[in-house]
Amino acid sequence: EIVMTQSPASLSVSPGERATLSCRASQSVSSNLAWYQQKPGQAPRLLIYGASTRATGIPARFSGSGSGTEFTLTISSLQSEDFAVYYCQQYNNWLFTFGPGTKVDIK
Amino acid sequence: QVQLVQSGAEVKKPGASVKVSCKASGYTFTSYGITWVRQAPGQGLEWMGWISAYNGNTNYAQKYQGRVTMTTDTSTSTAYMELRSLRSDDTAVYYCARLGAAAAGSFEYWGQGTLVTVSS
Repeated sequence: EIVMTQSPASLSVSPGERATLSCRASQSVSSNLAWYQQKPGQAPRLLIYGASTRATGIPARFSGSGSGTEFTLTISSLQSEDFAVYYCQQYNNWLFTFGPGTKVDIK
Repeated sequence: QVQLVQSGAEVKKPGASVKVSCKASGYTFTSYGITWVRQAPGQGLEWMGWISAYNGNTNYAQKYQGRVTMTTDTSTSTAYMELRSLRSDDTAVYYCARLGAAAAGSFEYWGQGTLVTVSS
């Protein structure tokens, strides 16, 4: 099983600031990585797939990068609606795994 | 528009089974797989398995092998997830999601979630 780790576990950011979230895979997943945003009481929302492609309707302030085992999600200028938990997920084979999540809250 | 509508909350006793449904609309059901993800209270997302709506092939996370069965009914565009031998730590919100169009392993559309509570 491919194990996903995320850092930091939590991140305090002021509105308008940049947030950088990291995700690491225990073995190469090529670019088969997605990012999700989840707000309390809601289902997750797909943000990024293919490590760097924004899903439909996702604002340009969200960007993804990386390949192999190291990935990054960057939120260029945090808006109030961006405070949430972010999960990475690999889909390199048909046995998917999620990372434990990074909580982004207001500083 | 794509919608996944799940069945309502369930309360079960330890040792029982639960079957959650996920009715899809807004797309050709057999063209995309359905995956199931659960989230225990205050915890992260945990992938359980997926099913091809085209041919019924399944792939389950090792943790759930032998205890979960995922099925589809193409006549009603509905996917089902049955979990047996329930324990208290199976208490969670269970989500269905449709696999992505551009990236088949991403989970593009999600149901609203079904809370399953296991308690004696």
